[in-house]
Amino acid sequence: DAGVIQSPRHEVTEMGQEVTLRCKPISGHNSLFWYRQTMMRGLELLIYFNNNVPIDDSGMPEDRFSAKMPNASFSTLKIQPSEPRDSAVYFCASSRRQYGYTFGSGTRLTVV
Amino acid sequence: AQTVTQSQPEMSVQEAETVTLSCTYDTSENNYYLFWYKQPPSRQMILVIRQEAYKQQNATENRFSVNFQKAAKSFSLKISDSQLGDTAMYFCAFVTTSGSRLTFGEGTQLTVNP
Repeated sequence: DAGVIQSPRHEVTEMGQEVTLRCKPISGHNSLFWYRQTMMRGLELLIYFNNNVPIDDSGMPEDRFSAKMPNASFSTLKIQPSEPRDSAVYFCASSRRQYGYTFGSGTRLTVV
Repeated sequence: AQTVTQSQPEMSVQEAETVTLSCTYDTSENNYYLFWYKQPPSRQMILVIRQEAYKQQNATENRFSVNFQKAAKSFSLKISDSQLGDTAMYFCAFVTTSGSRLTFGEGTQLTVNP
């Protein structure tokens, strides 16, 4: 089992550009989560999916953020247009019910 | 709404000694799960230990054990025989059995000194 796979590991982009973060959950896990981690706010849940359906997106900061899960093995988090305050580490995690939540290695996003 | 509180932003311990990290939570639910995650400088989030609220027996994983006090809504993590590799940020987390949303505390930065 390769675990939760996130790409890219690092992303540096200019303000105003579109950024797409990718996640491949563990096979058989039916829930997928996107978290953002910053020093100021800690770990924030942005959105989560159950069986590919978005359940709670109340943590998505604004309309510039969008997430999709077209199938059970792939999800994206898109920021358009990006702003410097979006700089953070973005984690994807997956789980099978509440038995355990496995996190990916995260994407460190820097918007300059 | 569920909340998780870790009141110790930083802690330090000498190698080979024992340290306890505190966590309290608030919920009106009766059935839930509690977790401790470790985040070393590599930033990977690693599951350390898991506790089901309906189990009275405290969970144990090698040098890691918990003291789960359901009535007090307390879930502390004890690390025995601390090792340098235990240096990390530790997060307490909570989820109800009826939900999927994992709620995290603010974290405790643990430093193990040689």
